[in-house]
Amino acid sequence: DADVTQTPRNRITKTGKRIMLECSQTKGHDRMYWYRQDPGLGLRLIYYSFDVKDINKGEISDGYSVSRQAQAKFSLSLESAIPNQTALYFCATYDPRTDTQYFGPGTRLTVL
Amino acid sequence: GESVGLHLPTLSVQEGDNSIINCAYSNSASDYFIWYKQESGKGPQFIIDIRSNMDKRQGQRVTVLLNKTVKHLSLQIAATQPGDSAVYFCAEGYGKLTFGQGTILTVHP
Repeated sequence: DADVTQTPRNRITKTGKRIMLECSQTKGHDRMYWYRQDPGLGLRLIYYSFDVKDINKGEISDGYSVSRQAQAKFSLSLESAIPNQTALYFCATYDPRTDTQYFGPGTRLTVL
Repeated sequence: GESVGLHLPTLSVQEGDNSIINCAYSNSASDYFIWYKQESGKGPQFIIDIRSNMDKRQGQRVTVLLNKTVKHLSLQIAATQPGDSAVYFCAEGYGKLTFGQGTILTVHP
């Protein structure tokens, strides 16, 4: 089984809709991250969490919100989706003992 | 702002050739660098890393070189194979990663 899972894997929605992307991990890591990837570009950090009570904005947090429901779950929400939020979204965990980041398989979101 | 960037967006090589992918960074305080491989439809996959106290690190068929003087790092892939075809990113940081733009490597049989 995958250590970091994301649901859904693909989603098409319309402008103005509220969307939630889910991320779950079985690594037991406290640190979790949401990144966005646009075509031809590297990943950019949206939000990150060091534990369930510690949520931090990343480089491009505008238009997004997150919820850390438990150590294993970190959700990303788009309150009112807009077309320029069409992108690949990746969740990741981080193990500071080994400096290793573990990425989920990604969610492809299309906003029409 | 601080950034990590790449010189070349695409690289095409013949199978068996060596590949070199370059990356420039701007933050002189950067301490830890990682190279990732990303195949279509998948998340980034760790290839190799290097800390700022090192100039070179070798893995299986891959070598990363770090030149702190000019803030440049490179990924060398020896005997490149078709399965190496992917997008390669450099990134900097611990957990909170800053990624470069990416280089598309295409390996022709």
